Amino acid sequence: EDQVTQSPEALRLQEGESSSLNCSYTVSGLRGLFWYRQDPGKGPEFLFTLYSAGEEKEKERLKATLTKKESFLHITAPKPEDSATYLCAVRSGGYNKLIFGAGTRLAVHP
Amino acid sequence: NAGVTQTPKFQVLKTGQSMTLQCAQDMNHEYMSWYRQDPGMGLRLIHYSVGAGITDQGEVPNGYNVSRSTTEDFPLRLLSAAPSQTSVYFCASSTDRHQETQYFGPGTRLLVL
Repeated sequence: EDQVTQSPEALRLQEGESSSLNCSYTVSGLRGLFWYRQDPGKGPEFLFTLYSAGEEKEKERLKATLTKKESFLHITAPKPEDSATYLCAVRSGGYNKLIFGAGTRLAVHP
Repeated sequence: NAGVTQTPKFQVLKTGQSMTLQCAQDMNHEYMSWYRQDPGMGLRLIHYSVGAGITDQGEVPNGYNVSRSTTEDFPLRLLSAAPSQTSVYFCASSTDRHQETQYFGPGTRLLVL
């Protein structure tokens, strides 16, 4: 069965303290791994798509990487405005089948 | 562009009542989807549409109906609300069939008593 697991469930960082969020997946035929950011009371906002092991993408303080079994979202020198829930999703099989993880709640304190 | 809009923002229903959650997008996107988000769980796909007049079921379609008469609108109907349908509902749209970039609406929070 296709499955996406995100860890940790919650993470508290001090401003400037770099860390990584994990997204491990079990899927038959990966056709894309997606990262989204979700602020409280709002819809998810697209960040990255990764397709193959070894691929990396960056945006400001965020860098997403992909292996055959997991993806990491690295946050370098985070700021309080990076506080949000980060969602990971994978696509397999049918083109519209996205499987989301439960998310990691990140809190960055000054 | 307003992007993806959803109404209402919040709704309280009694068990057995019916209602329609509205979703509209002004980006001329062909592909639209409805998800529900529950605490501790990932977003789950309810129904989706690949264009006007075409809809299909997602992962959790029971108790919900959709239609797509125009490119812009994709309403979600709850036929007879149940407490298990208490959730936050998100509508999303995308330009392409592979959902490379989905744009989400702000969500509708539904409470069924």
